[in-house]
Amino acid sequence: AQSVTQLDSQVPVFEEAPVELRCNYSSSVSVYLFWYVQYPNQGLQLLLKYLSGSTLVKGINGFEAEFNKSQTSFHLRKPSVHISDTAEYFCAVSEWGNEKLTFGTGTRLTIIP
Amino acid sequence: DGGITQSPKYLFRKEGQNVTLSCEQNLNHDAMYWYRQDPGQGLRLIYYSQIVNDFQKGDIAEGYSVSREKKESFPLTVTSAQKNPTAFYLCASSRGTGGSYQPQHFGDGTRLSIL
Repeated sequence: AQSVTQLDSQVPVFEEAPVELRCNYSSSVSVYLFWYVQYPNQGLQLLLKYLSGSTLVKGINGFEAEFNKSQTSFHLRKPSVHISDTAEYFCAVSEWGNEKLTFGTGTRLTIIP
Repeated sequence: DGGITQSPKYLFRKEGQNVTLSCEQNLNHDAMYWYRQDPGQGLRLIYYSQIVNDFQKGDIAEGYSVSREKKESFPLTVTSAQKNPTAFYLCASSRGTGGSYQPQHFGDGTRLSIL
């Protein structure tokens, strides 16, 4: 069965500093990987997705993630964060041929002015 | 613009009462999903439907029921059997069958509280 681990429940970062949010997954088959962002009292918005091909994926709002099959990781990065990036970020995995998404427990990113 | 509409935004339930959360989409998506979100636990799948008149239990279906009579609509009923219903409920949709590579689109959620 697929599973996702987000090791950091909260990450505080100074404005304009770089950030990395960690995500590791477990699956016995090939997977699709996603990062979603959730602003307070809203639904989830897709940041980026890895389906196949290049392991470096670029998304919206200047975020990117790198798929590392050997380390079963899909870490999210941004070189310079802004106050508007304050939100909760969820990593999710879907096994090929499976309609279901499995989510991590989320990482709350707080930007310090 | 196409999207997913969840209503109401806030809902209160009395003890022993059933309540129904609405989810409507105009994205022409085949698959629809219901998730429950609790602080620190991420999203957990309650029910999903890949086609009209068919649905499957997710990981935490006990105390919930759904119907899928129309492609656009996937209402969720929280029954009195659900002893801890206070949570944020999210509805999502995707292109569906054979499209696990298609990401899910989410509504803005319904926050359910117990009176």
